Amino acid sequence: DAMVIQNPRYQVTQFGKPVTLSCSQTLNHNVMYWYQQKSSQAPKLLFHYYDKDFNNEADTPDNFQSRRPNTSFCFLDIRSPGLGDAAMYLCATSGDSLMDEQFFGPGTRLTVL
Amino acid sequence: SQQGEEDPQALSIQEGENATMNCSYKTSINNLQWYRQNSGRGLVHLILIRSNEREKHSGRLRVTLDTSKKSSSLLITASRAADTASYFCATDASGAQKLVFGQGTRLTINP
Repeated sequence: DAMVIQNPRYQVTQFGKPVTLSCSQTLNHNVMYWYQQKSSQAPKLLFHYYDKDFNNEADTPDNFQSRRPNTSFCFLDIRSPGLGDAAMYLCATSGDSLMDEQFFGPGTRLTVL
Repeated sequence: SQQGEEDPQALSIQEGENATMNCSYKTSINNLQWYRQNSGRGLVHLILIRSNEREKHSGRLRVTLDTSKKSSSLLITASRAADTASYFCATDASGAQKLVFGQGTRLTINP
């Protein structure tokens, strides 16, 4: 089945230790998104790729970076995680428009010690 | 500021009853979408309704859209325990070129 896969499902890191979260998709979608979601809050868009074009949200901290080496894979790098970065990180895709239906992965729960 | 806001924030009903959640938004939209999120999981798309549509159905789900009032409602009929989840509306605020999610309604279905 076509899907969005995130690894790992749970990630524990230490304060200030870089961490990378990964996302892959078999949907062959053009657009890939990274969201941050804290407990009982709405998902907050960090950035998205439209094909190879990277689009950063204005309020996304510099601490967060992303790479999309090919259509299928997208990575979220947190260069120096702080305690406030503990959250669920959701990867999503959509076919050809930022306003289309989005397909979400199961998320990666990040804990910062 | 938040584009979409759900009401109520939390809803608890008995299995078999109908559940209604509302979403209000501030600016004109092209479409409005509803998503479900089970605890600790990703979001699942439920329904997309376009600005020129007034009502859509999908199984036990019914979504209405009133663009004059800038509001939408999601009705789940004959609720089941498996419907327990958070429900989010998402709108594409005109000109924003992205989806913005509301805070969600936490729905609990009691057996």
